[in-house]
Amino acid sequence: GENVEQHPSTLSVQEGDSAVIKCTYSDSASNYFPWYKQELGKRPQLIIDIRSNVGEKKDQRIAVTLNKTAKHFSLHITETQPEDSAVYFCAASSEGTALIFGKGTTLSVSS
Amino acid sequence: DGGITQSPKYLFRKEGQNVTLSCEQNLNHDAMYWYRQDPGQGLRLIYYSQIVNDFQKGDIAEGYSVSREKKESFPLTVTSAQKNPTAFYLCASSQAGPGNQPQHFGDGTRLSIL
Repeated sequence: GENVEQHPSTLSVQEGDSAVIKCTYSDSASNYFPWYKQELGKRPQLIIDIRSNVGEKKDQRIAVTLNKTAKHFSLHITETQPEDSAVYFCAASSEGTALIFGKGTTLSVSS
Repeated sequence: DGGITQSPKYLFRKEGQNVTLSCEQNLNHDAMYWYRQDPGQGLRLIYYSQIVNDFQKGDIAEGYSVSREKKESFPLTVTSAQKNPTAFYLCASSQAGPGNQPQHFGDGTRLSIL
């Protein structure tokens, strides 16, 4: 079955810096890769997703890149703000399989 | 998302007791999921259901049971066979599934042992 590894487990940046979180997956059939943000005590919320027919997707300060050959995908947050502080989860799935999540990255943005 | 309601928010279980966590959605989604969240472990899939009266085991189904009698409801029972039930439980749904679909989560239920 699918296995998703996420790094780093914790990330501290200064406000205004960029943050990058990386995930690798094992199942070459995986073709859907969402990213979720979970603030303390709250529900995970989808912030961006990418499908295997696209190499990069951007939404304002957030971007995701996908390298299918290497089986890894990354979340990029530019111009970080204190409200970006949260736990971020990557996930992967293929047709007919449930999402498999990484273990999460705790991002701390200090002002 | 206001479309998925989990209750109760906090739940306490005594030794040998079964407890049921409620999950209701009004998004008209076909697929529903239960995840367990432990510190540093991410979200691990317990059970999922693609359609009414059908459900599949996830990675950590032992000690849990589910039912899907109505499209909008997917309750999870934590049985006495689950020896370490203390965790945060999240219910989710997607329009279709599983796979290749954004999932929407409820606010979660925190279960503790008395």
